[in-house]
Amino acid sequence: GAVVSQHPSWVICKSGTSVKIECRSLDFQATTMFWYRQFPKQSLMLMATSNEGSKATYEQGVEKDKFLINHASLTLSTLTVTSAHPEDSSFYICSAISSLRDEQFFGPGTRLTVL
Amino acid sequence: QQQVKQSPQSLIVQKGGISIINCAYENTAFDYFPWYQQFPGKGPALLIAIRPDVSEKKEGRFTISFNKSAKQFSLHIMDSQPGDSATYFCAASITGGFKTIFGAGTRLFVKA
Repeated sequence: GAVVSQHPSWVICKSGTSVKIECRSLDFQATTMFWYRQFPKQSLMLMATSNEGSKATYEQGVEKDKFLINHASLTLSTLTVTSAHPEDSSFYICSAISSLRDEQFFGPGTRLTVL
Repeated sequence: QQQVKQSPQSLIVQKGGISIINCAYENTAFDYFPWYQQFPGKGPALLIAIRPDVSEKKEGRFTISFNKSAKQFSLHIMDSQPGDSATYFCAASITGGFKTIFGAGTRLFVKA
């Protein structure tokens, strides 16, 4: 099956710093990737839709200046949490759509802890 | 209209029993209904999915039942095993639209 990787798998940072999370589709091209946020014991909440070569589309209530998304190639999307604060601590999950299979594949997630 | 309602919130089943999780949706434009399994600290993994043109789909011990008129679908896990203990999410999307709406999740615990 198609594989989506995320790096890093976990990160701890100080309040006020920025953190970049990478999402890669390893064996397929993904014109569309999604970024989700998941709090403990809760469902996945869509943050933004990332399209290769164009600006991301953010969901209502998600600050686009705080959560910068770049989809530079058909296999890579990045999420940068700028000026992170403790309330940004969460599990961030990306997913990618395989254009060949019209199916969504999820990455393993990145645990962000902001001290 | 974009919501997908999932129940129960948690479920405890004896080993060998049947686990049943239910979901309901409102938006009749949804045409793809996947179920995801998530273990702690991991991303969701696609378990099984169904489209509205069939009423049931079975893959191994996992079966989706789909009722288009009632706008409901359910996941049945037959012969439940302790290794099935995880959180299960139903979801719905519109093909081509890609945005997936997730249910709230069901935490399943299978007792040995």
